[in-house]
Amino acid sequence: KNQVEQSPQSLIILEGKNCTLQCNYTVSPFSNLRWYKQDTGRGPVSLTIMTFSENTKSNGRYTATLDADTKQSSLHITASQLSDSASYICVVSSFSGGYNKLIFGAGTRLAVHP
Amino acid sequence: DAGVTQSPTHLIKTRGQQVTLRCSPKSGHDTVSWYQQALGQGPQFIFQYYEEEERQRGNFPDRFSGHQFPNYSSELNVNALLLGDSALYLCASSFPGQTYEQYFGPGTRLTVT
Repeated sequence: KNQVEQSPQSLIILEGKNCTLQCNYTVSPFSNLRWYKQDTGRGPVSLTIMTFSENTKSNGRYTATLDADTKQSSLHITASQLSDSASYICVVSSFSGGYNKLIFGAGTRLAVHP
Repeated sequence: DAGVTQSPTHLIKTRGQQVTLRCSPKSGHDTVSWYQQALGQGPQFIFQYYEEEERQRGNFPDRFSGHQFPNYSSELNVNALLLGDSALYLCASSFPGQTYEQYFGPGTRLTVT
């Protein structure tokens, strides 16, 4: 069964600190992996996208890694800001039967405190 | 260039009623997908429309139906509302042939009482 699992479920850090969010997936065939940021009550916004051959992708203070062998990805946030408080969702795309299917993780809720 | 837009923003309905949610895709996008996101959960795929036809469908009952118009905008209809239908409904659009890259709208918050 195609699944995406994220950890931790929630996280509280102090402003200025770094943190790392984890994503493990069992999706086949694998097409790409994307991290989204979702503010409360809003739609998800894409942060990074990685294909099978990419190990690292950065977007400002956000750095995503992908290990296709172990089927793990991480999202590292550097020098956190209050505006980083949001849910971070890991999404794996699988292309099968002529269609792309997106499998979503449940997300990690990050709270950055002053 | 406007991104994906959805209306209404919030909606309160009574159990048993019917509801219609609307979505306008990002300019140049022809494929529209709908998702249901319960509080604290990741989005769950409802269905996807392309060329005015339902192309893929997730594990949702027939009470959930949709439509896509010639201008690529789309509607999601839910009949016989249940309390469990309360959720954030997200619309996402994508370029032709690039459905792995979906742009999400702000969502419609549906509350069923």
